[in-house]
Amino acid sequence: EAGVVQSPRYKIIEKKQPVAFWCNPISGHNTLYWYLQNLGQGPELLIRYENEEAVDDSQLPKDRFSAERLKGVDSTLKIQPAELGDSAVYLCASSLVGVTEAFFGQGTRLTVV
Amino acid sequence: AQKITQTQPGMFVQEKEAVTLDCTYDTSDPSYGLFWYKQPSSGEMIFLIYQGSYDQQNATEGRYSLNFQKARKSANLVISASQLGDSAMYFCAMREGVEETSGSRLTFGEGTQLTVNP
Repeated sequence: EAGVVQSPRYKIIEKKQPVAFWCNPISGHNTLYWYLQNLGQGPELLIRYENEEAVDDSQLPKDRFSAERLKGVDSTLKIQPAELGDSAVYLCASSLVGVTEAFFGQGTRLTVV
Repeated sequence: AQKITQTQPGMFVQEKEAVTLDCTYDTSDPSYGLFWYKQPSSGEMIFLIYQGSYDQQNATEGRYSLNFQKARKSANLVISASQLGDSAMYFCAMREGVEETSGSRLTFGEGTQLTVNP
């Protein structure tokens, strides 16, 4: 069974440019998470989806970040415009209701220069 | 609000020895789950072990065991017979609520960098 797939693995952009990350969760997983991980820190939740609905987006900086999960399967996280402080690893995870653990992808390492 | 505290930024252990990674948590919800994840240098978060707040026995998964002390609000990870491949960042995490109805956010600690020496 394929795990959570994220792309790209690495991205370098100039500040003020837009960037998008893509996540394909494990087949059948209805819950999808986007986490931000700064260097040397634990992941912090940006947004959580239950199927197509964003049920927890309180920590998503909505002035520049947006996310979508059309058809309740794969998801895209966008930043526009990117700032230097956005340099981090963006992790996607998925889980199934009734199952305890969340499964993570390998993340996208973003560098804003 | 929930909070996870990992007080050991780094730990060192000799190969084949056991090591304990500390984790304390804070929550007012009587129903919660505690997790440990391993993050090697490749970046992927790998699930290791889970303990539910109502579980009577400490969780074990192979060489991993979770020392759950509910009254102290601690959930320490014990790795027995350390291997060189265990060198990684280890994160403790907590989820509040009842899993059967819907997921909820995982809150992570700051992590502990474990180095296994040959």
